[in-house]
Amino acid sequence: QTALTQPASVSGSPGQSITISCTGTTSDVGGYDYVSWYQHHPGKAPKVLIYEVTNRPSGVSTRFSGSKSGNTASLTISRLQAEDEADYFCLSYASSSPRYVFGTGTKVSV
Amino acid sequence: QVQLVESGGGMVQPGGSLRLSCAASGFTFSTYGMHWVRQAPGKGMEWVAFIQYDGRNSNYAGSVQGRFTISRDNSKNTLYLQMNALRAEDTALYYCAKSHLAVSGNFFDSWGQGTLATVSS
Repeated sequence: QTALTQPASVSGSPGQSITISCTGTTSDVGGYDYVSWYQHHPGKAPKVLIYEVTNRPSGVSTRFSGSKSGNTASLTISRLQAEDEADYFCLSYASSSPRYVFGTGTKVSV
Repeated sequence: QVQLVESGGGMVQPGGSLRLSCAASGFTFSTYGMHWVRQAPGKGMEWVAFIQYDGRNSNYAGSVQGRFTISRDNSKNTLYLQMNALRAEDTALYYCAKSHLAVSGNFFDSWGQGTLATVSS
């Protein structure tokens, strides 16, 4: 399985909205509603923001939202804050081994 | 709250072995599947291995199949990764991650901070 494609970096100003894309194939992103998104501050434990394309775990800010169209999933961060500066990566379940395929990762700058 | 703490990383020569551990707390360890995920320097995340809640089923990425073994001791709330025949390309930060289900599931709801394994002569 090839890694899912994400932009290397995305930047925005405080208060703005940004969207990070995650592009795969019909064997992963397009084939299942099993895309999740994670926030990772280097040196810390990654944190799940979105699971199964659109669901937010309890405690995650409503400023984070997910969607999917065809083979591309997206994470939108609204009302950008300084604390959102971090690395973000997507994960999709896949039809063949390895069953878990990660995105290439995106560095968000605020 | 859920806490996962990895240990056992270090520097080893090519062909050598390392055993990573992940101490779990804050949840009923014996009822959830667990994963190992790694991130090589400057690279993205790569799934390594999974073991289901009771240890009876596991699977591996092709890149580590036959060299790495995932196991767990539910009496000690600890996950392990035995890494043999290590190669330079196995150099990475290794994370343990909790499945949201007893079996494989489709996302990881908690992660540790990682332990660094470096393979170099």
